[in-house]
Amino acid sequence: GNSVTQMEGPVTLSEEAFLTINCTYTATGYPSLFWYVQYPGEGLQLLLKATKADDKGSNKGFEATYRKETTSFHLEKGSVQVSDSAVYFCALSDGGGNNRLAFGKGNQVVVIP
Amino acid sequence: SAVISQKPSRDICQRGTSLTIQCQVDSQVTMMFWYRQQPGQSLTLIATANQGSEATYESGFVIDKFPISRPNLTFSTLTVSNMSPEDSSIYLCSVVGEGTGANVLTFGAGSRLTVL
Repeated sequence: GNSVTQMEGPVTLSEEAFLTINCTYTATGYPSLFWYVQYPGEGLQLLLKATKADDKGSNKGFEATYRKETTSFHLEKGSVQVSDSAVYFCALSDGGGNNRLAFGKGNQVVVIP
Repeated sequence: SAVISQKPSRDICQRGTSLTIQCQVDSQVTMMFWYRQQPGQSLTLIATANQGSEATYESGFVIDKFPISRPNLTFSTLTVSNMSPEDSSIYLCSVVGEGTGANVLTFGAGSRLTVL
């Protein structure tokens, strides 16, 4: 079945540092890929998405490119801020129209001033 | 996008009791979803709640343990029955975000349950 794997462990980095969170997936067919973010005390929010190979999703300075050849959707930001501290989840849908998502385990990102 | 309110936001429960979580949406939606987020784990879909029909449960989840109601297009409840410490999780309600494209979900803030 469909699955998403995120890199292990929390990520701690300094303000203005470069952030990468790795995400790889296993899926049949042509899934759509998502990054969701959960700020402290809030619900999950869609950060960005890509619906086909080579698409680049972007929002709030974050980017991720749908790489079918490497089955990856890594999240990047060139210069993080303290306000980017949150948990980030990679997810995919199987495109079957049932709106069901498979999530990765999430990565806690802590940005230190 | 839709605004989702969940109640309670958190609770501490005794083993063997049941708790009902409410999910209220500020607009009418066809499909509502209930997810569970166990400590240190990813989100797992429990069931899909459709108005006017029984909920559809994912593998490993049963109606006796997680009964769901969906009385109208803006409201749903999830009950966690006969709780044990293993049920300590965050339970999240979600809906498809209108106008945002298929498969884009909007989530409530979640209900954090601790079972002693």
